[in-house]
Amino acid sequence: NAGVTQTPKFRVLKTGQSMTLLCAQDMNHEYMYWYRQDPGMGLRLIHYSVGEGTTAKGEVPDGYNVSRLKKQNFLLGLESAAPSQTSVYFCASSRNQRDTQYFGPGTRLTVL
Amino acid sequence: KQEVTQIPAALSVPEGENLVLNCSFTDSAIYNLQWFRQDPGKGLTSLLLIQSSQREQTSGRLNASLDKSSGRSTLYIAASQPGDSATYLCAVNPPMNRDDKIIFGKGTRLHILP
Repeated sequence: NAGVTQTPKFRVLKTGQSMTLLCAQDMNHEYMYWYRQDPGMGLRLIHYSVGEGTTAKGEVPDGYNVSRLKKQNFLLGLESAAPSQTSVYFCASSRNQRDTQYFGPGTRLTVL
Repeated sequence: KQEVTQIPAALSVPEGENLVLNCSFTDSAIYNLQWFRQDPGKGLTSLLLIQSSQREQTSGRLNASLDKSSGRSTLYIAASQPGDSATYLCAVNPPMNRDDKIIFGKGTRLHILP
């Protein structure tokens, strides 16, 4: 039982490049979330999903897209990376919207 | 809009002491409150979840209390150890009849001095 896993762990991009972050969970959770964590800003919700095939915007969705084609996977895409997207990205999952969230280890992204 | 505040931002305590971490929230209409621990370079780990109808939850040396009317929660750590050094975050979930999402505090960075 791996819980929530994220790939990659680290990535450096140049401005304008694109990339996809992958999140996988093996707990059969319906809800999945993408957050970014920045110094002094705390955790902020980017997008979330309430089940397979669904996505919804969070607090800071601009510049990101997501997809949930399979229940166990939640993908976060950056189409044209900007330095302001330098951050640590966390994926989380939960059984329902207000249940305990289980977090992945994070992806540290630097955009030059 | 719900706001969650954790003061102080950082705290250093000698090993063996009991300590209290604070979390305050502006809207008392909540569904539950959670405490998380985050080690450097790692993700968050859930420690305790308190439902709005509960006053406290305990797990080992940890005890979390909730006072909805005053918008406060505390995390009590007994007999602190160096391994307790981490950042502790609280998070508040809104009631089921609201579409708002979970709100996290910015955390208190705890350092236990050996």
